[in-house]
Parts: sequence; structure tokens; C-alpha cells
Amino acid sequence: GESVGLHLPTLSVQEGDNSIINCAYSNSASDYFIWYKQESGKGPQFIIDIRSNMDKRQGQRVTVLLNKTVKHLSLQIAATQPGDSAVYFCAEGYAAGNKLTFGGGTRVLVKP
Amino acid sequence: DAGVTQSPTHLIKTRGQQVTLRCSPKSGHDTVSWYQQALGQGPQFIFQYYEEEERQRGNFPDRFSGHQFPNYSSELNVNALLLGDSALYLCASSDGASAFYEQYFGPGTRLTVT
Repeated sequence: GESVGLHLPTLSVQEGDNSIINCAYSNSASDYFIWYKQESGKGPQFIIDIRSNMDKRQGQRVTVLLNKTVKHLSLQIAATQPGDSAVYFCAEGYAAGNKLTFGGGTRVLVKP
Repeated sequence: DAGVTQSPTHLIKTRGQQVTLRCSPKSGHDTVSWYQQALGQGPQFIFQYYEEEERQRGNFPDRFSGHQFPNYSSELNVNALLLGDSALYLCASSDGASAFYEQYFGPGTRLTVT
């Protein structure tokens, strides 16, 4: 498949280690945040979301942290696996609108 | 349960031509959003259709238009194609009656304009 992003920031992580991907969002009115995973040749796949009234949410092997004070979002992946290699995007939305605004993305490469 | 499907997978057009891309939403979803993803960038919102009407539009020229059919499927039309329109076009569907932020994406249509 073709590459999703040729010039994205890249995070190289050893298999089994934890990964942390960071995202700065732009709209202080945003009340909903999502992390998507995009593999080469595929559309974005929903990973986890968080509402603005929360600062942490956990899923299976993933945790999202939200810091509204500095408009920062992070995704933590525990025990990173080769299948986690992909481009990760954060997206923000707000109650008054229906669109999602995406960040620039981070490529994660998992080394065996 | 079929997810979001898009056709065609790939398309090559010449500058000035017109193109139509198609999307079928996930079963049970009635809202369709279209995004443009240039290489190396995040998706950018084009517009969203609900109840066969455009509900919201992003910062795209009028050359980009759409339609939603009674069965909730949707088309994206782009007229007078420019080289800069080359991108991956993504369709996302959601349930307008629930948390519409939960958008499920299709695999996309790769459009190349030469």
C-alpha cells in the first residue's frame, strides 16, 4: 500500500515498550477529542475518545490524557506491538459543529 | 455488518475534468461526512450530509459539491479539477441521532489529477 505520510514526525519504539504520542489542539471550545490510527492504504480507524469533562480515559492497551489548560492531548500505548505501526492522528470537535478537525499526525514505527 | 464502502478505489483524471466519488455508510448510519487528505497531512473536512441536505461545510470552493440519497449513500463531485485536488478522499459515516462525533471512515478513493 502507499504511504500515508512521507514527512510526518516519527516515533520509533522497541516492541514491548510503551509509546506516547502527543498532540496540541487549537480550539479551546472543542469538547470532544478522538485518536485515530491509519495504516497504509486504509482509512482512519477509531481508537479511543475523550470528552472535555474528563482528563483521562483508558481502553484496551491505550490511555488518552487531556490537559485543557495547555490544550494538549496524548495517547499512551502499552506494550507496543508490530501491529501498532501506523500513522496516528488526533482530532477535535465541538458541540456546535459537526466536523472533526485533525492534527498533522505522527508515524509510529515498532522495531522488533 | 458492512462498514463504510467507497468507490472507486483509485481514479486518474486530467485537469479540467469532473469526477464523482461514491460512498455507502455503515449500516444504521444516516450521516455522511467527506474529507480530503493530502499526502503527509491529516484529513480536512469538506462537508457533511444529513437528511439529504448539506449540514455543514468546510473551507472548500464551490467546485466541490455533494449529494445524499434517500438510502443515505452519498456522492462527492468535483468540477474543473486542479492538480492540487490530487488526494485521498475519505467518507465517514455516523448516526445523526447519537454521538455524531463517532465517525467511521471508509478506505478512501485515491484521486490523481494529471
